Amino acid sequence: DAGVIQSPRHEVTEMGQEVTLRCKPISGHNSLFWYRQTMMRGLELLIYFNNNVPIDDSGMPEDRFSAKMPNASFSTLKIQPSEPRDSAVYFCASTERRGYGYTFGSGTRLTVV
Amino acid sequence: AQSVTQLDSQVPVFEEAPVELRCNYSSSVSVYLFWYVQYPNQGLQLLLKYLSGSTLVKGINGFEAEFNKSQTSFHLRKPSVHISDTAEYFCAVSVRNRDDKIIFGKGTRLHILP
Repeated sequence: DAGVIQSPRHEVTEMGQEVTLRCKPISGHNSLFWYRQTMMRGLELLIYFNNNVPIDDSGMPEDRFSAKMPNASFSTLKIQPSEPRDSAVYFCASTERRGYGYTFGSGTRLTVV
Repeated sequence: AQSVTQLDSQVPVFEEAPVELRCNYSSSVSVYLFWYVQYPNQGLQLLLKYLSGSTLVKGINGFEAEFNKSQTSFHLRKPSVHISDTAEYFCAVSVRNRDDKIIFGKGTRLHILP
């Protein structure tokens, strides 16, 4: 299995632009998670899906952030408009079952200038 | 609500010396516990997990952790570290029989000194 695949690996964008981050979970994993990692806040859970349905989005910082999972093999995290404080590494992770732990993707390093 | 405290943000240790990374959790219900490792510019990788049973859990790369319910701790240990163990280590908790959400600690950066 190729693992959790995220794209792009790096994204540099100007303030105010729309940014879309993509994730392909491991086949057969029915839960998907989006995390943000910064030096100041560490790893923050933004949102997670179970069977393509959003279960908990309480970590989404504000309305500029949105996430979708149209099918079991694809999810997006969108920021519109982007701001410099959104600069971070965004990780996607998936799991097949409670207690198994997550498999993480390699992350997308987002820089908003 | 559940929380995880990693008491040390950084731990320096000489190569081939033993190391212990400390983790305490807070929860009013039964939990699953995890340790993850993050190498530079990579995602997190599962080192080991405690679900139930024996309180001593062995993981990859020679690491082990011990679950102590009375002290609500899950410390990570390795008897002899190698330069390749330089990384950040995250302790994490999820609630048993509730949902898949995992809460992570802030991490401990392990520095291996030559």
